[in-house]
Parts: sequence; C-alpha cells; structure tokens
Amino acid sequence: KAGVTQTPRYLIKTRGQQVTLSCSPISGHRSVSWYQQTPGQGLQFLFEYFSETQRNKGNFPGRFSGRQFSNSRSEMNVSTLELGDSALYLCASSLAGANQETQYFGPGTRLLVL
Amino acid sequence: GQNIDQPTEMTATEGAIVQINCTYQTSGFNGLFWYQQHAGEAPTFLSYNVLDGLEEKGRFSSFLSRSKGYSYLLLKELQMKDSASYLCAVRDADSSASKIIFGSGTRLSIRP
Repeated sequence: KAGVTQTPRYLIKTRGQQVTLSCSPISGHRSVSWYQQTPGQGLQFLFEYFSETQRNKGNFPGRFSGRQFSNSRSEMNVSTLELGDSALYLCASSLAGANQETQYFGPGTRLLVL
Repeated sequence: GQNIDQPTEMTATEGAIVQINCTYQTSGFNGLFWYQQHAGEAPTFLSYNVLDGLEEKGRFSSFLSRSKGYSYLLLKELQMKDSASYLCAVRDADSSASKIIFGSGTRLSIRP
C-alpha cells in the first residue's frame, strides 16, 4: 500500500505570493491533518479534514486555508506569504481521524519564503 | 491551557538504555503518542498509550500515568540509528473534534 504523498517536495516563493500544497493520503484513509514544523515552534497543528469537511482548526491566521476532495486528497493554501511561513509542512492521514490510534505522515513540503 | 514538556536534548551511549520523559497539561486527554523523526524526514509512529501502564514493543517501551500527566519512552540496547528526535504528542479531547498537540521534541544523540 502506498504511503502518504505530498507535492511539491520543495518550494521557493517570495513575500506576498500565495502557495498551494497537495497531499494524497493512504488509500482508504478519510482523515487528513496538516502541520507546520519549524525549528523554533516544533510541530503545530493547522487543521484536519474529514469527508471534505474541516473538522478542527489550530491557531493560525486566516491566510492559511485548506480543502479536501471527494477522493480524500487535500490541499492547503497560504496567501500573502510572510518570511515566517518558511517551514516544513507535513500532512498526516488516518482512517477516521479523531479516535484512531495513529496517523501516518507524508515526507513534507519544505517551503522557503524569500 | 495546553502544554507539553520534554527535554530538548539528550545523549546516550550505544548499547545502553535511555528514558525520555514527557509531561503534559491539556484540557482533555484521549491518548498519548510517541513519534521518531530523523533529520530531514517525516515523523514515524512509535507507540500509543491511552490507559495507564507500560506498553512494550521490541526495544522500545512507553509508559503512561494519566493522574500525573506523565509519560516516558524507554529505548533499550541503543543503536547508532536511534539518533533522532523523539516527539511526544497528546490527543486533546476537549472538543468534539479532538486534535493532536505535539511537544517540541527531544533530540537524542548516540555516541559509540
């Protein structure tokens, strides 16, 4: 069974631009969660999608948004990029989310904002 | 508030045993996870505890005390490949839609 895939793996953008990242969960998994990882803040929860609905949201500004498609693939979008958005963005999938015992992480997208 | 504390760095010797502690304060609790993350790679699942006690899985064991808000990850017979960051994470079940909160991670270095 293929693992979680994320595209692109690396991205360089400039301040003010917007970016869209993609995540394909493990086949059969319906929950996708997104995280931002930085050296200073560690892994921080962005949001979780389940059956095309945002089920939970972390404490990030409205510039960060996401969506999930009927095939469970998910995208996250960051508008008006800031230097501080430079980070590793990880998505994780699980069968049903909230009450599952584990999530499986993708390799991440490393975003650099110049 | 929500807070998860674990040591920033630890060093241990190949073949030895190391214990990585994690304390947490969350509004609710519905399970604690340990993940391993090698530099430049994604986290990989190690263990999950929802009831008090010790869960053993090969060289790795994880312990949970819900009353104390405390967990530890025990690594035995350390190998050089165990050099990695170890992330403690708690599922906060305060709301109907729970979310997982991660600690900052413990960077473990193994010396020969």
